Amino acid sequence: DTEVTQTPKHLVMGMTNKKSLKCEQHMGHRAMYWYKQKAKKPPELMFVYSYEKLSINESVPSRFSPECPNSSLLNLHLHALQPEDSALYLCASSQLQGREKLFFGSGTQLSVL
Amino acid sequence: GQQVMQIPQYQHVQEGEDFTTYCNSSTTLSNIQWYKQRPGGHPVFLIQLVKSGEVKKQKRLTFQFGEAKKNSSLHITATQTTDVGTYFCAGPGMEYGNKLVFGAGTILRVKS
Repeated sequence: DTEVTQTPKHLVMGMTNKKSLKCEQHMGHRAMYWYKQKAKKPPELMFVYSYEKLSINESVPSRFSPECPNSSLLNLHLHALQPEDSALYLCASSQLQGREKLFFGSGTQLSVL
Repeated sequence: GQQVMQIPQYQHVQEGEDFTTYCNSSTTLSNIQWYKQRPGGHPVFLIQLVKSGEVKKQKRLTFQFGEAKKNSSLHITATQTTDVGTYFCAGPGMEYGNKLVFGAGTILRVKS
């Protein structure tokens, strides 16, 4: 299984809502990532987990809260988002953190109203 | 901080024409990776180059890594409509975590 599975595929939420994005991989990868991508832009790193520990937080606002319950799962909890947070949220994994190739999930297209 | 520049931003070609996108880093890279993102899709890994001067081919795609390991190119021979998408180069940074730094991407459109 060489897939990274993300749910939901689409999400519309109000600024007062709380929602969560989920990501799962069964490739035995020890590094998992959250990226944010705006239209016609490259993916922008948000968080990196290595061996289930938060390794990198790219100064992301606290309204985004990552969680890595185990080596296969990665969540992104969303609360009090702003319309400018609307974007494609991509999960990715790699064997190890660092110079390895990334396997991306199909993403969650998020709209904040 | 480290920057990875990519040109051109857009390329519109006639089917059958060749296409090249160029990537340039402000620092020496340990490796360079290339990804393709189809419209409405997600980035998909194409290849990783590690050695200075390395050239790799995948069917009609040719990837090169410069001698100084600061630049790279992707060349597509005789483009097809299936080549449509955005091509990103990415290199690991020198700072903590070796996080990948993506180029801005080149959007390729192919007219049939």
